[in-house]
Amino acid sequence: GEDVEQSLFLSVREGDSSVINCTYTDSSSTYLYWYKQEPGAGLQLLTYIFSNMDMKQDQRLTVLLNKKDKHLSLRIADTQTGDSAIYFCAESGQGSGGYNKLIFGAGTRLAVHP
Amino acid sequence: GAVVSQHPSWVICKSGTSVKIECRSLDFQATTMFWYRQFPKQSLMLMATSNEGSKATYEQGVEKDKFLINHASLTLSTLTVTSAHPEDSSFYICSARGRTTYEQYFGPGTRLTVT
Repeated sequence: GEDVEQSLFLSVREGDSSVINCTYTDSSSTYLYWYKQEPGAGLQLLTYIFSNMDMKQDQRLTVLLNKKDKHLSLRIADTQTGDSAIYFCAESGQGSGGYNKLIFGAGTRLAVHP
Repeated sequence: GAVVSQHPSWVICKSGTSVKIECRSLDFQATTMFWYRQFPKQSLMLMATSNEGSKATYEQGVEKDKFLINHASLTLSTLTVTSAHPEDSSFYICSARGRTTYEQYFGPGTRLTVT
């Protein structure tokens, strides 16, 4: 079946790099996503990677994909207090009726301290 | 970027009443809209997918008679929680996708509390 797993909590010092890891099970996923959720708010798409890519960099964000191990990571360089949030990994999958849907992990709560 | 709004952002209702939540795409045509629910400190669970002008497709375990979804136009979908009970209390989030993109744009969510 489809499943996405993430560690639940990460604490880093301001200015350090954060690395959030995710594993998924559906090898047919076309896209893999990272979303950010701040308290009481909806989800903001941070970045995504196509399944035939190994790496994608977007300013402070670097996504690494190991398709063989079904492992996805998000690295945030120079982590700031404003980066404190919950980060969700998601894979694309098939919903009921054949529609494309997102399957989310449980989310990693990132806490940034001075 | 594309903007999706939800209304209301927060609602309290009494057990047994019905509540309607609106999801609007403000600057693009949303051919597909998705409804999720999120329990505290948990992930988002897809409830249903709706295409404009069609009946919604519900995920396994979601009661379609309890969670009524209407996607009457390319910019509006509604979720009605009928005969709400305290266990329906949750954070409901919608997302919308346009015709030519995989990307889903999420609304800010609606917190429903049933007393």
